[in-house]
Amino acid sequence: DTGVSQNPRHKITKRGQNVTFRCDPISEHNRLYWYRQTLGQGPEFLTYFQNEAQLEKSRLLSDRFSAERPKGSFSTLEIQRTEQGDSAMYLCASSLGSFQAAFFGQGTRLTVV
Amino acid sequence: AQKVTQAQTEISVVEKEDVTLDCVYETRDTTYYLFWYKQPPSGELVFLIRRNSFDEQNEISGRYSWNFQKSTSSFNFTITASQVVDSAVYFCALSEAEGNNDMRFGAGTRLTVKP
Repeated sequence: DTGVSQNPRHKITKRGQNVTFRCDPISEHNRLYWYRQTLGQGPEFLTYFQNEAQLEKSRLLSDRFSAERPKGSFSTLEIQRTEQGDSAMYLCASSLGSFQAAFFGQGTRLTVV
Repeated sequence: AQKVTQAQTEISVVEKEDVTLDCVYETRDTTYYLFWYKQPPSGELVFLIRRNSFDEQNEISGRYSWNFQKSTSSFNFTITASQVVDSAVYFCALSEAEGNNDMRFGAGTRLTVKP
């Protein structure tokens, strides 16, 4: 499978715990994006990388959120001290550069109880 | 700031009907890109089309067609002879060349095609 891969697909965690999600983009894509989607809404932009550089962070990304993309390959999104409001689908996408079509993974559904 | 409005929250049609999904956008940039994505019940967003602000030609791909009108800041999507498999949530998105470069999505339109 050469598409965008996200792991895990589902995560249930207790409030206050830390969680980490992984995204493996399409191999030749240099741009990687993280979005969050809640029920009935469109995806909301969180952050993106150009290779290993994190170029933009949304104001939605509080200090509890951190993302990395070491060596410009896979990326991780960590949420510290999770809150119930963090429950959502976390989507990763990659593209071949600016303004090119972004291809999405299947997402990681986070439930904070 | 860029903004995308999809005023139709839900649309229901009977199979073989034509249906148009509306998308209106706001941007101050002269160079920007518009996208449509489909999100079927399985959940994965599927890319449908990308259009840059300098290309106002309408596009047709099979039963799908797109009407881009800069004068009204609209990028509407029409499905001809709809099928049950077209049932999904459809999102319009905008990316500004001089802005943050990220895609901003509308709230989506849920299309239900009944047999």
